[in-house]
Amino acid sequence: GAVVSQHPSWVICKSGTSVKIECRSLDFQATTMFWYRQFPKQSLMLMATSNEGSKATYEQGVEKDKFLINHASLTLSTLTVTSAHPEDSSFYICSAVDGDARQPQHFGDGTRLSIL
Amino acid sequence: GEDVEQSLFLSVREGDSSVINCTYTDSSSTYLYWYKQEPGAGLQLLTYIFSNMDMKQDQRLTVLLNKKDKHLSLRIADTQTGDSAIYFCAESHFNTDKLIFGTGTRLQVFP
Repeated sequence: GAVVSQHPSWVICKSGTSVKIECRSLDFQATTMFWYRQFPKQSLMLMATSNEGSKATYEQGVEKDKFLINHASLTLSTLTVTSAHPEDSSFYICSAVDGDARQPQHFGDGTRLSIL
Repeated sequence: GEDVEQSLFLSVREGDSSVINCTYTDSSSTYLYWYKQEPGAGLQLLTYIFSNMDMKQDQRLTVLLNKKDKHLSLRIADTQTGDSAIYFCAESHFNTDKLIFGTGTRLQVFP
């Protein structure tokens, strides 16, 4: 149980394009999902908390106009990297919570984004 | 602010036990977690412990929590080559749903 699917797993695109990453909870409903960014050989950095039906809460230093988050249903959250540039290249990972916040976060397999 | 520290690297021989350590600074932590990350993959939840517990065992995994010293450890018995990965500890609080991750420990298991 508690499977989180993230798609795509790897994307390469040209600078200036927008890229959408999907995060789905497959066997549970997730009122809260999280988006993280991970640089090589580093820990995870929380970008934003995504709540179903409301605006995402962004961490300090994360541009909300750059990283658009939509959580339109209890099983799907999307992260759109708008007008991506090489410095946005990174490993993006989502997680979802089954139920209330005291349940563990379950993670997707991540999306490797490479901007040329 | 909160800070979670781990040693960067641990190397063990196959069949031996591995002990990965984690220290944290915030005494109001409610839950403490251990996650495993294999190369190019997301994080896999291994186990977690509530802050009013001292120990939790799950098959080859044993978690020890010393609240006084704010020290958490993960012991892997009979370590196998498939256990080679990065292990992250993380803490969360009752009044927030955020996780604070440690720096990660790379475990290398050699034959």
